[in-house]
Amino acid sequence: DADVTQTPRNRITKTGKRIMLECSQTKGHDRMYWYRQDPGLGLRLIYYSFDVKDINKGEISDGYSVSRQAQAKFSLSLESAIPNQTALYFCATSDLTGDQYNEQFFGPGTRLTVL
Amino acid sequence: GNSVTQMEGPVTLSEEAFLTINCTYTATGYPSLFWYVQYPGEGLQLLLKATKADDKGSNKGFEATYRKETTSFHLEKGSVQVSDSAVYFCALSDRGGGSQGNLIFGKGTKLSVKP
Repeated sequence: DADVTQTPRNRITKTGKRIMLECSQTKGHDRMYWYRQDPGLGLRLIYYSFDVKDINKGEISDGYSVSRQAQAKFSLSLESAIPNQTALYFCATSDLTGDQYNEQFFGPGTRLTVL
Repeated sequence: GNSVTQMEGPVTLSEEAFLTINCTYTATGYPSLFWYVQYPGEGLQLLLKATKADDKGSNKGFEATYRKETTSFHLEKGSVQVSDSAVYFCALSDRGGGSQGNLIFGKGTKLSVKP
């Protein structure tokens, strides 16, 4: 089974609808992240969480909210979807050991289309 | 602030050709540097990393050397294969302030290898 899973994998919705994207991980990592990927723009950080009680805004948090329900679950919500939120969304996890910053492990992505 | 700049694509090569994808960075302190790869329809996965100056990361025939004097981390492979066709992202870890461990990504370089 995959270590980082995302649901749904694909979603088409209409402007103004509320959408929730879910992420679960079995790696036991404290840190979780939400990114969006747009062609030519790379990955941009939306929100990140260092533990259940610590949630932080990233580079592009406007229009999004998150919930860290448990160590293993981190959900991203679009309260009122708009077409320019059409993108590929990735969840990622990481851990921190000693003084080194370890790799992030990515889920397979959710392709969201807002009509 | 910290940033990553990588060469724009797409890059198209013939099988067995030599590959270089340039990456330079701007950062305070001593970031860790990463190359991630995204195969079609998948999430990102770590290809290689280097955590201090002059370190060489290597994996699957790919190499990159952390050059502090030129603030670079260029990706190279001596002989590419069709299966190397993917999007490659250079990234650095942010060691500053409250966002320690967050990754900052370049915009990605799409590589296509023709038989």
